[in-house]
Amino acid sequence: NAGVTQTPKFQVLKTGQSMTLQCAQDMNHEYMSWYRQDPGMGLRLIHYSVGAGITDQGEVPNGYNVSRSTTEDFPLRLLSAAPSQTSVYFCASSYQIDRGLDTGELFFGEGSRLTVL
Amino acid sequence: ILNVEQSPQSLHVQEGDSTNFTCSFPSSNFYALHWYRWETAKSPEALFVMTLNGDEKKKGRISATLNTKEGYSYLYIKGSQPEDSATYLCASDPTGNQFYFGTGTSLTVIP
Repeated sequence: NAGVTQTPKFQVLKTGQSMTLQCAQDMNHEYMSWYRQDPGMGLRLIHYSVGAGITDQGEVPNGYNVSRSTTEDFPLRLLSAAPSQTSVYFCASSYQIDRGLDTGELFFGEGSRLTVL
Repeated sequence: ILNVEQSPQSLHVQEGDSTNFTCSFPSSNFYALHWYRWETAKSPEALFVMTLNGDEKKKGRISATLNTKEGYSYLYIKGSQPEDSATYLCASDPTGNQFYFGTGTSLTVIP
């Protein structure tokens, strides 16, 4: 079972370069999201989507763009990379939460380590 | 932005000991509370999703409780084993769509 697949796993960029982190899931999840993990800090939400064609900003959206043209894919774009964007990025997906069933847990990809020089 | 705090930051216990961690979150605007287990070089994996005040969840030797009125959740591990060594994350969700994670509790179980 593929689950949530992120590519690339590692990437080195120069300041000002652009790139796209890919995220794909095969579980037919409506909800998809991107997080960054920095030392001493919890996972911070960058952008999220509750379905195809719908995206919204999270806690730290500046410098990142997303789109959701299909249910399966949720790419994260860095238009002009900055050293402050050096981080480990995680994509996660889930079914919409069902409070009656206590479901809606996030399924995470393996992470993408990005270094911006 | 929600402030989610976890304590302790790290914990070393002997094999067989029972232990517990705390997750504190704003009691206002509560929708759900998640617990995840994160092993080194792997991705976080869900343990529990909790939504009702007073709820208790159990999975094997791991259990969790939730108090939404005072804004805290406890995670308990009974009879810790070396394979329980991991970082345990909690996340507060105020809307059903946004997750605010704590920095985690790193557990090391000494054989």
